Amino acid sequence: EPEVTQTPSHQVTQMGQEVILRCVPISNHLYFYWYRQILGQKVEFLVSFYNNEISEKSEIFDDQFSVERPDGSNFTLKIRSTKLEDSAMYFCASSVAGGFFTDTQYFGPGTRLTVL
Amino acid sequence: GDSVTQMEGPVTLSEEAFLTINCTYTATGYPSLFWYVQYPGEGLQLLLKATKADDKGSNKGFEATYRKETTSFHLEKGSVQVSDSAVYFCALSDKGAQKLVFGQGTRLTINP
Repeated sequence: EPEVTQTPSHQVTQMGQEVILRCVPISNHLYFYWYRQILGQKVEFLVSFYNNEISEKSEIFDDQFSVERPDGSNFTLKIRSTKLEDSAMYFCASSVAGGFFTDTQYFGPGTRLTVL
Repeated sequence: GDSVTQMEGPVTLSEEAFLTINCTYTATGYPSLFWYVQYPGEGLQLLLKATKADDKGSNKGFEATYRKETTSFHLEKGSVQVSDSAVYFCALSDKGAQKLVFGQGTRLTINP
């Protein structure tokens, strides 16, 4: 069964450093998402991406964050200058459809980011 | 804004017990409702969903009915197993929005 994969599973970085989290969505999916879960808190939406551009983003997704689909398979989340409060589990998800037509989002296993 | 509230966890039950995890929501439109499950060390997996009022989602013995009048989507299972131990998340997606809005998750532990 196709699945969303994410690398690395755990990333440790120093405050102020740039990190790139990588995801490979399911191959025929067109919509891509990033969510995060700070320890003990809710899973929060960050951004959705369709047709090579951001289609929706939350207040959390400020100028420190960016997303990219550099090739036909990868979908990345970049944090330019990490802060302690960026420590969280980051989940990538993808869906065939989106927008008005709510479709099932399939999640990857997550990348645990620890900022020291 | 849209929100989802789940019953506080953790929940601990014995094998073969009846399970209910409560979920209520607030939404401006007519959302689709979901239950996701996260097993230890794994990502979020869709357990079941319902896209309109009175729909019942079901999977692996779990059920949830979309109740518009009570804005609820409670998860039930008649006889739980040790393998059902996981964290369960209720979520909604409003029409015209792409994001999922999650509840806080409920950790379920089933003892043999």
